[in-house]
Amino acid sequence: AQSVAQPEDQVNVAEGNPLTVKCTYSVSGNPYLFWYVQYPNRGLQFLLKYITGDNLVKGSYGFEAEFNKSQTSFHLKKPSALVSDSALYFCAVRHGNYGGATNKLIFGTGTLLAVQP
Amino acid sequence: EAEVAQSPRYKITEKSQAVAFWCDPISGHATLYWYRQILGQGPELLVQFQDESVVDDSQLPKDRFSAERLKGVDSTLKIQPAELGDSAMYLCASTEGTSSGANVLTFGAGSRLTVL
Repeated sequence: AQSVAQPEDQVNVAEGNPLTVKCTYSVSGNPYLFWYVQYPNRGLQFLLKYITGDNLVKGSYGFEAEFNKSQTSFHLKKPSALVSDSALYFCAVRHGNYGGATNKLIFGTGTLLAVQP
Repeated sequence: EAEVAQSPRYKITEKSQAVAFWCDPISGHATLYWYRQILGQGPELLVQFQDESVVDDSQLPKDRFSAERLKGVDSTLKIQPAELGDSAMYLCASTEGTSSGANVLTFGAGSRLTVL
C-alpha cells in the first residue's frame, strides 16, 4: 500500500529566504505525486503534480518540487518565501501504474509553514 | 472559476444527534469524493462515487455513516448518531472523468463538525 511521510510538523522561515517542505513516499511502481495547500478554514488547493518527465515540476505561486526517485522524495521548494505563503501544506501520492477507480490519493499529515516578516 | 459548493460551513451538534452535509461538485465532474480531516491529520477518504455509483467506501463507518449521490450530481453525507470522535472537517472534492491517477481533485471549503 502506498504511504506518504512529512517529517516536519512545522517549518519556520523568514520572509525572502528560500523554503523547503519535505515529503517522502512509498508506493510500488511509479508514483503520481501532488502538493496541496490549505489556508485556515478552507479546503485544499492544488499546487503542482509530478506524473512523468522532468524531475523539477513548477506550480502555482512560484512553488516548485523536485522528484527524486532514488530517495523516494518530492520536496516542495520556493526561492523566496512570502508571509502570505503561511499555510498548511500536504503531500499526496497515488499509484501511477493504473487508473483504477479505487486508486486512492493518500495524503501526508501536513506541514505547517510559518513565514515571519 | 468553478467551485465545489459545500454546506453547512459549520455545524455544532450534540452526540447521538443526526447531521447531514451537502456537496455540489463542479458541473460535469463525474467523480466525487468525501474526505474526513481530523485536526492535525491529513484528509482520509471516506467514500468515492463514480456518477451515482459507490466505487470505494471501505473506510466509511457504515454503522453510522451513509452517503448518496442519487442523480450523479450533488451528494449528501449523513451521520447518525454522531459521536464525539466524529468532530472533524468534512471535505468534498470532485474530478472530471474516471479516477485517473493523474487527475487533480478540486476541493470545497469543507464543513466543520463539532460534536458536544
